[in-house]
Amino acid sequence: DAGVIQSPRHEVTEMGQEVTLRCKPISGHDYLFWYRQTMMRGLELLIYFNNNVPIDDSGMPEDRFSAKMPNASFSTLKIQPSEPRDSAVYFCASSSGQPLGNTIYFGEGSWLTVV
Amino acid sequence: GQQLNQSPQSMFIQEGEDVSMNCTSSSIFNTWLWYKQDPGEGPVLLIALYKAGELTSNGRLTAQFGITRKDSFLNISASIPSDVGIYFCAGPPLIQGAQKLVFGQGTRLTINP
Repeated sequence: DAGVIQSPRHEVTEMGQEVTLRCKPISGHDYLFWYRQTMMRGLELLIYFNNNVPIDDSGMPEDRFSAKMPNASFSTLKIQPSEPRDSAVYFCASSSGQPLGNTIYFGEGSWLTVV
Repeated sequence: GQQLNQSPQSMFIQEGEDVSMNCTSSSIFNTWLWYKQDPGEGPVLLIALYKAGELTSNGRLTAQFGITRKDSFLNISASIPSDVGIYFCAGPPLIQGAQKLVFGQGTRLTINP
């Protein structure tokens, strides 16, 4: 089975540009998570969805960040406008729910650099 | 919110040595998870612990769920070069209905051949 698929793997963009990160979860998984990883803050949960509905977006840094899940097989994380401090690795993960620990799988990440 | 504190932050060891790292929290967790992240990859689950006092092994890896439910440790015996990476502890916070994980800051393991 294919794992969680993220694109792009790497992106370098200029400050002020819009960035869109994409994720295809594992088929049949009801939960989708967006995490951000930086050296300073480690792995932070940004938002998660259950059955395509956002459940907890308390980790979304500010209004420049938005996430959508229009259907069970696709999600986007958008940053507009991007800033250098947004440079990080963004991971998408999906899970079938129970038990959460045994069923959450991460994608390979999208490495974002904002210059 | 509930936070996990890992130590040490980094380790430099010789191949063949045993490794021990731990994770603590100021509040109770009902599940402890240990993940490994290889360079350029996402975290991958190594061991899941669901009961206080539980000791679980996965090959050369052994992890224990602390009796107080506020800590856990991970041991790696006879380290090999492919053990290099970042090890994270994680757990779901005790919030009703929460289906998410919080992660420790990670322990970066470097092995000298």
